[in-house]
Amino acid sequence: NAGVTQTPKFQVLKTGQSMTLQCAQDMNHEYMSWYRQDPGMGLRLIHYSVGAGITDQGEVPNGYNVSRSTTEDFPLRLLSAAPSQTSVYFCASSTGTGGLANEKLFFGSGTQLSVL
Amino acid sequence: AQSVTQLGSHVSVSEGALVLLRCNYSSSVPPYLFWYVQYPNQGLQLLLKYTTGATLVKGINGFEAEFKKSETSFHLTKPSAHMSDAAEYFCAVSRGGSNYKLTFGKGTLLTVNP
Repeated sequence: NAGVTQTPKFQVLKTGQSMTLQCAQDMNHEYMSWYRQDPGMGLRLIHYSVGAGITDQGEVPNGYNVSRSTTEDFPLRLLSAAPSQTSVYFCASSTGTGGLANEKLFFGSGTQLSVL
Repeated sequence: AQSVTQLGSHVSVSEGALVLLRCNYSSSVPPYLFWYVQYPNQGLQLLLKYTTGATLVKGINGFEAEFKKSETSFHLTKPSAHMSDAAEYFCAVSRGGSNYKLTFGKGTLLTVNP
């Protein structure tokens, strides 16, 4: 199993450009999430999905779109990049809600995005 | 709404010393609580979690944490620090009892001195 795979690992954009951060998991997990990590801020939830076709907003959704057409993939779209979106982005997936001992959130290795 | 406060953005200990990383939370409902570790240029890895039941939770790499409802705390401890423990540690609380919707603290960077 590859786990949670994020591409690209690094990306530089100009203000106003659009791009999609890719996230794929091969563990058949229903639950997937996107977080952004900024220095001194911890991680903040952007969007999440509880299954194919179902998405919802997290704490900081503005400027980002998501869709979940398959169980495996959960791409994050920036429609018009802004310097405030410079961050490290993490995708995560989980088999359940975490109440059982073997349920946990698996994180990808991150995408470092710079918007100039 | 839930929130998490980690006391101390940077903690430095000597190798072999006790590690204590502090976390306080606020939640209007019984929370799920988590500690994650992040090594440089990597994603986060779960150390341990509390959902229900026993309030002393043991995790990987010799870490443990105790849920104290009266103090709204979930401090992380390890009796003897190892050089390999140097990393950033994040406390998190679930939003709505779901581990895929987490509210994280700002993190504590642990430095271990030889």
